[in-house]
Amino acid sequence: DQQVKQNSPSLSVQEGRISILNCDYTNSMFDYFLWYKKYPAEGPTFLISISSIKDKNEDGRFTVFLNKSAKHLSLHIVPSQPGDSAVYFCAAIKGNTDKLIFGTGTRLQVFP
Amino acid sequence: SQTIHQWPATLVQPVGSPLSLECTVEGTSNPNLYWYRQAAGRGLQLLFYSVGIGQISSEVPQNLSASRPQDRQFILSSKKLLLSDSGFYLCAASKGNNSPLHFGNGTRLTVT
Repeated sequence: DQQVKQNSPSLSVQEGRISILNCDYTNSMFDYFLWYKKYPAEGPTFLISISSIKDKNEDGRFTVFLNKSAKHLSLHIVPSQPGDSAVYFCAAIKGNTDKLIFGTGTRLQVFP
Repeated sequence: SQTIHQWPATLVQPVGSPLSLECTVEGTSNPNLYWYRQAAGRGLQLLFYSVGIGQISSEVPQNLSASRPQDRQFILSSKKLLLSDSGFYLCAASKGNNSPLHFGNGTRLTVT
């Protein structure tokens, strides 16, 4: 049962343009969401998070949007840079369990 | 800041052999600790998590076990490895209360 879904396994974007990575979830009890970035053979690194009481959080080039009614969140990267090429994981936490449930990831490639 | 140490970085083991992967955490006390696995072409699956010494919760039935003999030490073990145990194993730590997980660099395990 995949509670957090990233339906696009890959995304290719030109440098300077916007990258939009999408994530859907099924469990309405999730109340905190995070995005992680992962390079090959390395552990994921935390990018940005959002609480369920908000609908937007911005940090530099990264913005996360949350639509609770649609159980959907997205990560916007603008402008995209070649160094952003990596696998991006969406994750969710339920209540105060501190257990992150991850999506399957989206591989982003930013080309010149 | 937290630093997560994992070793070894890569490991090739025959089917039926035992396994011991170690993870230690620096920079925080009483962290929540996690073992995740990323199988080929799949997302990050939570295997075990621990909120304190000797306290282990298993998320999925499997051939693996975990132990936490010290506050900042988390060990993943198996008595007899299966081919399906191959994957990228990641240790992670958090301070709890919806704080982001910080990951180690992972261990690539290949069971032959």
